[in-house]
Amino acid sequence: GEDVEQSLFLSVREGDSSVINCTYTDSSSTYLYWYKQEPGAGLQLLTYIFSNMDMKQDQRLTVLLNKKDKHLSLRIADTQTGDSAIYFCADRRAAGNKLTFGGGTRVLVKP
Amino acid sequence: ETGVTQSPTHLIKTRGQQVTLRCSSQSGHNTVSWYQQALGQGPQFIFQYYREEENGRGNFPPRFSGLQFPNYSSELNVNALELDDSALYLCASSSPTSTETQYFGPGTRLLVL
Repeated sequence: GEDVEQSLFLSVREGDSSVINCTYTDSSSTYLYWYKQEPGAGLQLLTYIFSNMDMKQDQRLTVLLNKKDKHLSLRIADTQTGDSAIYFCADRRAAGNKLTFGGGTRVLVKP
Repeated sequence: ETGVTQSPTHLIKTRGQQVTLRCSSQSGHNTVSWYQQALGQGPQFIFQYYREEENGRGNFPPRFSGLQFPNYSSELNVNALELDDSALYLCASSSPTSTETQYFGPGTRLLVL
């Protein structure tokens, strides 16, 4: 299947951790990505993980991959107001070079 | 800043017209992909160009066509515009040494009336 699914909305208090979840259906996915989109802007690549890894940490960002359950998450530590944006997960399949995106999770950080 | 630029930033067209959108890839990147992002949705893959040849296509009709030039810049052409073509059009480039990462430009917002 083609689907990459995300929850629509997440509200979090400044300074707390945010966790954004994503599920995908294609077991041939080789790379999984997290992109950030601010209003009126393009996509900013935040981080990505190869499918044979189960965790990747990059400063405040931690990506967890459960390949058995086809579940990807992005944890943002010490969430700041500047983290308010839409976050997209995407996968890349073994066959082809396209990225398949989820519908995006809107994250609102409250002071 | 990713080094990927797109022009124009905004465009208004009427139904039935044709449009050309342009993308300059990041220096050294020889692969360009185009995506359509409708309002409130995730981007959808249109097609990809590698060394001036189409290298994969999504579920878009033939009236969506593209070109890549020797300097790796690219164009997306859409003929016979329909109202549903209103969207943000994003291009992304990737390098030959790091094909797993695609860096996106700021997009062109197209409104079809």
